[in-house]
Amino acid sequence: EDKVVQSPLSLVVHEGDTVTLNCSYEVTNFRSLLWYKQEKKAPTFLFMLTSSGIEKKSGRLSSILDKKELSSILNITATQTGDSAIYLCAVGGPKDAGNMLTFGGGTRLMVKP
Amino acid sequence: DSGVTQTPKHLITATGQRVTLRCSPRSGDLSVYWYQQSLDQGLQFLIQYYNGEERAKGNILERFSAQQFPDLHSELNLSSLELGDSALYFCASSVGGLAGRVQETQYFGPGTRLLVL
Repeated sequence: EDKVVQSPLSLVVHEGDTVTLNCSYEVTNFRSLLWYKQEKKAPTFLFMLTSSGIEKKSGRLSSILDKKELSSILNITATQTGDSAIYLCAVGGPKDAGNMLTFGGGTRLMVKP
Repeated sequence: DSGVTQTPKHLITATGQRVTLRCSPRSGDLSVYWYQQSLDQGLQFLIQYYNGEERAKGNILERFSAQQFPDLHSELNLSSLELGDSALYFCASSVGGLAGRVQETQYFGPGTRLLVL
């Protein structure tokens, strides 16, 4: 059974700080790793990392996939209060399991002014 | 706004009842997924449909069933409801390349919050 573990469980920082969120996974047939941000309701897509795309960046957010260590990090620089959310990491299932995602428990980030 | 719509937003019902949740995928998306999010279990995959056919199944209870219609909208039916079924139910959709076998970005709807009393 695929497993995704995120750390820390929660994090409180002040505006302007840099944070690093961790995700480790155990999957039988890795295809991709996705990061989502969940504020009030629906998770919104941030990045997808695959064997052919192990590093992604968008503004103050960036993510790296380490296939050797079976892990990924999500970095947020110069944090803002609007970054407060739950950040979810998910891995894609094997080809014969369709396109299902297995999610980690999430990291709750709170950014204080 | 992801383009995925779900109705209703909230649902309050009693144990033993049956409810239907509805989802319309993004325009052009062929794959639809259902997830359950509860406080103790996190986001759990239930089932995937691709172009009307079941493509993958997760830990979906036998009391739950889903279908995808010719117009690609999907419904999740929950029956004999129990208190533990109270959760947020999300629908997501993706393009559905290669008959739904390709790992694609899934876009989530706003969810339906179900409360079973």
